[in-house]
Amino acid sequence: QVQLQESGPGLLKPSETLSLTCAVSGYSISSISYWGWIRQPPGKGLEWIGTIYHRGDSYYNPSLKSRVTLSVDTSKNQFSLNLSSVTAADTAVYYCARHVGYCSKTNCFGPFDPWGQGTLVTVSS
Amino acid sequence: HSMLTQPPSASGTPGQRVTISCSGSSSNIGGNTVNWYQQLPGRAPKLLIYDSNLRPSGVPDRFSGSKSGTSASLAISGLQSEDEANYYCSSWDDSLNRLWVFGGGTKLTVL
Repeated sequence: QVQLQESGPGLLKPSETLSLTCAVSGYSISSISYWGWIRQPPGKGLEWIGTIYHRGDSYYNPSLKSRVTLSVDTSKNQFSLNLSSVTAADTAVYYCARHVGYCSKTNCFGPFDPWGQGTLVTVSS
Repeated sequence: HSMLTQPPSASGTPGQRVTISCSGSSSNIGGNTVNWYQQLPGRAPKLLIYDSNLRPSGVPDRFSGSKSGTSASLAISGLQSEDEANYYCSSWDDSLNRLWVFGGGTKLTVL
């Protein structure tokens, strides 16, 4: 069964870059697959950050696109999120998930399943 | 401000049937399928319903989903105490800003 585990720094200062990695087990990330990042501010709802295809094509939330970079490392069977110039508003639990579906040039289809356990990232001076 | 609207709370007693609504627009629910996620306290979201009305393997048939026009619903029959959780609907939005959108979540309390 597919399992995902996020890792990365839990505390950042404003203007720094958030870097998280999602290690995948039970599935080869080099197979046809899509992978996503979703975040949840404390006590609030879910926000999609972006989705990446195993070959590297990426799809981003327009509100975050200018600051987000997604990447895939097939040699380590993991994918990563970089979010630049963070502020307190980026404080959230960050989840990685498998996107069970696909994305065309304009649309994405299919749910996120399963999800990693999540990692809390706090931005504070 | 979520693009999908859910009631913030819902409640029921054990054994009851409860429904949670999710209202959207023609650019999301109206033209695309809906997924529902269950988030138990302190846990990651878990897929409950996909493609509007399909259950992943392992999800009890007490959970069902439906969609009509620009709205969707999640129904839970035979309510159990372990169903107490937050429930989120989600759909792809293909307006000018193409993105996955989520509802604000509904906190279900089992009385």
